[in-house]
Amino acid sequence: QQQVKQSPQSLIVQKGGISIINCAYENTAFDYFPWYQQFPGKGPALLIAIRPDVSEKKEGRFTISFNKSAKQFSLHIMDSQPGDSATYFCAASWTSGSRLTFGEGTQLTVNP
Amino acid sequence: DGGITQSPKYLFRKEGQNVTLSCEQNLNHDAMYWYRQDPGQGLRLIYYSQIVNDFQKGDIAEGYSVSREKKESFPLTVTSAQKNPTAFYLCASSIVGREAYGYTFGSGTRLTVV
Repeated sequence: QQQVKQSPQSLIVQKGGISIINCAYENTAFDYFPWYQQFPGKGPALLIAIRPDVSEKKEGRFTISFNKSAKQFSLHIMDSQPGDSATYFCAASWTSGSRLTFGEGTQLTVNP
Repeated sequence: DGGITQSPKYLFRKEGQNVTLSCEQNLNHDAMYWYRQDPGQGLRLIYYSQIVNDFQKGDIAEGYSVSREKKESFPLTVTSAQKNPTAFYLCASSIVGREAYGYTFGSGTRLTVV
């Protein structure tokens, strides 16, 4: 009930392409879904987040798509750049207060 | 600037030694967390604390210990009972009741057994 499943584990994309990372959750009480970006040797940092009352949220080249009925959400990185190469974690929580449950992470490599 | 400071950045441990990783925050956050990161295994929670002098075990607490004597500090001790301690350790903090609004992570400590 507390798990968040993330795929793929690793992803290689050409510069200018679209990177897509998917997550699925089980606990229907979750109502907050953030994505974190981690560069090598650094801690993760909050990238973008969505609540289930919207199906999509866009910030620059980063978009979260949310499918409440399927209990899935995904991160799309448009026009992927080498500087986007990092590990991405999805997470889930409920806004009334709880620890974040993290996915397993996706290592993204964008080739120049 | 507010943030989380982890030290040292790199740490080497001999077999049978206890080592302590430091985590200090000046964000006035009540909650603090320790995660272990291994390649391909994501972030695994070791311990967390929501208030001074209180802490709870996470998913992989065996071989680790913590203390929370001050709001700002949450040190992690890797004991000799931890058989495979080589990993990247991350400390994080958040506002209690508003965890969903984001964790702030430190830059990590890379621990290697030599």
